[in-house]
Amino acid sequence: DAGITQSPRHKVTETGTPVTLRCHQTENHRYMYWYRQDPGHGLRLIHYSYGVKDTDKGEVSDGYSVSRSKTEDFLLTLESATSSQTSVYFCAISESTRRHYGYTFGSGTRLTVV
Amino acid sequence: KNEVEQSPQNLTAQEGEFITINCSYSVGISALHWLQQHPGGGIVSLFMLSSGKKKHGRLIATINIQEKHSSLHITASHPRDSAVYICAVGVDFGNEKLTFGTGTRLTIIP
Repeated sequence: DAGITQSPRHKVTETGTPVTLRCHQTENHRYMYWYRQDPGHGLRLIHYSYGVKDTDKGEVSDGYSVSRSKTEDFLLTLESATSSQTSVYFCAISESTRRHYGYTFGSGTRLTVV
Repeated sequence: KNEVEQSPQNLTAQEGEFITINCSYSVGISALHWLQQHPGGGIVSLFMLSSGKKKHGRLIATINIQEKHSSLHITASHPRDSAVYICAVGVDFGNEKLTFGTGTRLTIIP
């Protein structure tokens, strides 16, 4: 049930290094989101996109940037990773039309910053 | 303070029992989502509700917009239902930036 794939699935990186996570969709959905999931907090929105080159910040955007140069790809970049960014990152896509509503999550990327 | 509150946080039940998980929210919403996450696994969308009630197999979701409350029910629970169930709300239909509860961990004992 591909539809949306995240890469990598797991990554360990050192503090201060840049990291890019990729979200790829084959559904042609307009909206794409990056969330992080941490114990005790639930999922929180980092950034979202409402079209190619159209992005906006979410609740916990500090230290993260995003880019969407194509409908199908939404990249999340940690410019200089910190230990507080150790988390599980989920990408999601959504579309709402009169005929269809859908909200789909990727399988997640487990990022460890050491 | 979280805009979305779930109860209970943890729930253990015997196989076959009727399960209810509750979700309360404090803002006006366009839709409420129920999601399921198995340990170490991804997140699956179970229901999206804006009013009334929906049923899928043994799962039933209801929402009361006036009371800002939703419930997820599982009938004839089974060990494979063991998972974390997450309530989330969106306030802007079409651009569903979601606000999530912290989840209810359900364990069904055979």
